[in-house]
Amino acid sequence: DIVMTQSPDSLALSLGERATINCKSSQSVLDSSDNKNYLAWYQQRPGQPPKLLISWASTRASGVPDRFSGSGSGTDFTLTIRSLQTEDVAIYYCQQYYNIRPAFGQGTKVEFK
Amino acid sequence: EAQLVESGGGWVQPGGSLKLSCAASGFSFSGSAMHWVRQAPGKGLEWIGRIRGKGNNYATEYPASVRGRFTISRDDSKNTAYLQMNRLIAEDTAIYYCSSGSGSDSLYWYFDLWGRGTLVTVSS
Repeated sequence: DIVMTQSPDSLALSLGERATINCKSSQSVLDSSDNKNYLAWYQQRPGQPPKLLISWASTRASGVPDRFSGSGSGTDFTLTIRSLQTEDVAIYYCQQYYNIRPAFGQGTKVEFK
Repeated sequence: EAQLVESGGGWVQPGGSLKLSCAASGFSFSGSAMHWVRQAPGKGLEWIGRIRGKGNNYATEYPASVRGRFTISRDDSKNTAYLQMNRLIAEDTAIYYCSSGSGSDSLYWYFDLWGRGTLVTVSS
């Protein structure tokens, strides 16, 4: 099975700062037949279910602010929050859906300094 | 509006059984794979299985952690998916979410629809 590892485990930033979260997969999630990375990012605010932010490594879900962006390919991916807002305090998870058994990273907690 | 609503959670003793339900509305349930994901208290997300639609013979898949103890089924006439959990242990204590790539029965799809979850507590 594919193992997803995120870094860092937590991040403390000030309002308006850039947040960068990394995600590494134990094997490539890039499908050469369609040149797509089978990688999603989710946001989970306290007491809420997860919410899809990004699919295919870089495609924002409907309604997601453009301060959120995803990048990377193969085994290394990044979620960037361009300018941190109060509502962005949450835990962020990457997930691969390349394998028939999808798997999540352990999560990265983003909070205010 | 597409929606998933879980029910059936509660307290159960170790070794016991519990069956969760996930009622779907607002999208093509019969054409969608349905997944279950759990989250132990203060922990991360763990995918625990999925069932595909009729066109893919209701195929199921589970991770090793629950295979043989958990069974997912569905009733398309009721737009409902189920999670039967047997031989429960303390480590199964978690919020259980159902989720879906709404409208997709692909094996390789993200989860764009989530319920609010139902809490299962396994304790003596």
